[in-house]
Amino acid sequence: QKEVEQDPGPLSVPEGAIVSLNCTYSNSAFQYFMWYRQYSRKGPELLMYTYSSGNKEDGRFTAQVDKSSKYISLFIRDSQPSDSATYLCAMSAGVTSYDKVIFGPGTSLSVIP
Amino acid sequence: EAGVTQFPSHSVIEKGQTVTLRCDPISGHDNLYWYRRVMGKEIKFLLHFVKESKQDESGMPNNRFLAERTGGTYSTLKVQPAELEDSGVYFCASSVRTSGIFEQFFGPGTRLTVL
Repeated sequence: QKEVEQDPGPLSVPEGAIVSLNCTYSNSAFQYFMWYRQYSRKGPELLMYTYSSGNKEDGRFTAQVDKSSKYISLFIRDSQPSDSATYLCAMSAGVTSYDKVIFGPGTSLSVIP
Repeated sequence: EAGVTQFPSHSVIEKGQTVTLRCDPISGHDNLYWYRRVMGKEIKFLLHFVKESKQDESGMPNNRFLAERTGGTYSTLKVQPAELEDSGVYFCASSVRTSGIFEQFFGPGTRLTVL
């Protein structure tokens, strides 16, 4: 079993839709959960992070962590064509630069105008 | 402020040849990481430098891969000799904090194709 699983998509939605992206994981030691956005031919860019369980909101983006289910989600409200990218979940056991970050395979999202 | 830069952006080589990838981190970032993404798979950790020292190289696939970080500034990743399965995108990232919430800043990657 992989440490982090993520539906690769591709996911195609109309502009303005609510998008739900999800990851599951197997390692209960993970405490720090991240979402990266990667545009074509670019490197991943940190979008949001959450430490331990709970929700975090930033504009149109909401990150949720359910540690009891080992399940994390990223919601995008009022999706825009500029949101078209690959979204990678990532997680680590700690928050220091010494803690190894484990990535999911990414979900490709297209927002159609 | 300049971001993480990587050179070259693309490299196509024959099996058995040598390739050297370069990464210039953001100025002042002591932590430098190498990752690799092979087609269809997730981004995987290769190694972590703190300044010029290798902190963790547990992700390096085998001894055909050699990473260096001269003077704690830029880093190189050499593959010698290259094999077909080495094809993929090699990312470099850097971060500044050694404790507390940190963010890794990624470069655009080097796309390596081994024929």
